[in-house]
Amino acid sequence: ETGVTQTPRHLVMGMTNKKSLKCEQHLGHNAMYWYKQSAKKPLELMFVYSLEERVENNSVPSRFSPECPNSSHLFLHLHTLQPEDSALYLCASSQESNEQFFGPGTRLTVL
Amino acid sequence: QQQVKQSPQSLIVQKGGISIINCAYENTAFDYFPWYQQFPGKGPALLIAIRPDVSEKKEGRFTISFNKSAKQFSLHIMDSQPGDSATYFCAALGDSNYQLIWGAGTKLIIKP
Repeated sequence: ETGVTQTPRHLVMGMTNKKSLKCEQHLGHNAMYWYKQSAKKPLELMFVYSLEERVENNSVPSRFSPECPNSSHLFLHLHTLQPEDSALYLCASSQESNEQFFGPGTRLTVL
Repeated sequence: QQQVKQSPQSLIVQKGGISIINCAYENTAFDYFPWYQQFPGKGPALLIAIRPDVSEKKEGRFTISFNKSAKQFSLHIMDSQPGDSATYFCAALGDSNYQLIWGAGTKLIIKP
């Protein structure tokens, strides 16, 4: 595997479910990001981890819970989501604050 | 102050023509302005970037023009090709080293 990978690519969940999104980067970077992408809106930065420490948390609802166990892996734990949380969730990585490399995203649908 | 405004929302250009996408910002502290390209089913990928100490940067058919006094920057795609059809995002690096402020995107279609 090369670059940034994300699993699953598609996820449908009910409002009472608990699920997790996984991101893995194979680039040796020290920073990882979660973004939310909705149609016709700017990308919304959710969380940033640098050297496994959370450095940004942009007022994201607590129903989204990130976890960064090491510099190569990033998770986004989801629980009791709302239909308006349906979107494409993108993971990215970078070396320091340089160019961000993105994964293909997880298309999330909340019923 | 933390917004980047991008226009147009969508753009159709004939093959061989010039595609132009514009962005404007308010925060004079921004000091790094990348453009990302996104194809369906893929994440965004860095296309070209500029810092405010230069007014233009060219890489192949892609050029960024930067007007610091007007707080505007634009992407020009020369000799546009059908393979350039994608969504383009401008961005600016904000007060935090890790926080890119994104435009809303431009869906570009190049007609053969």
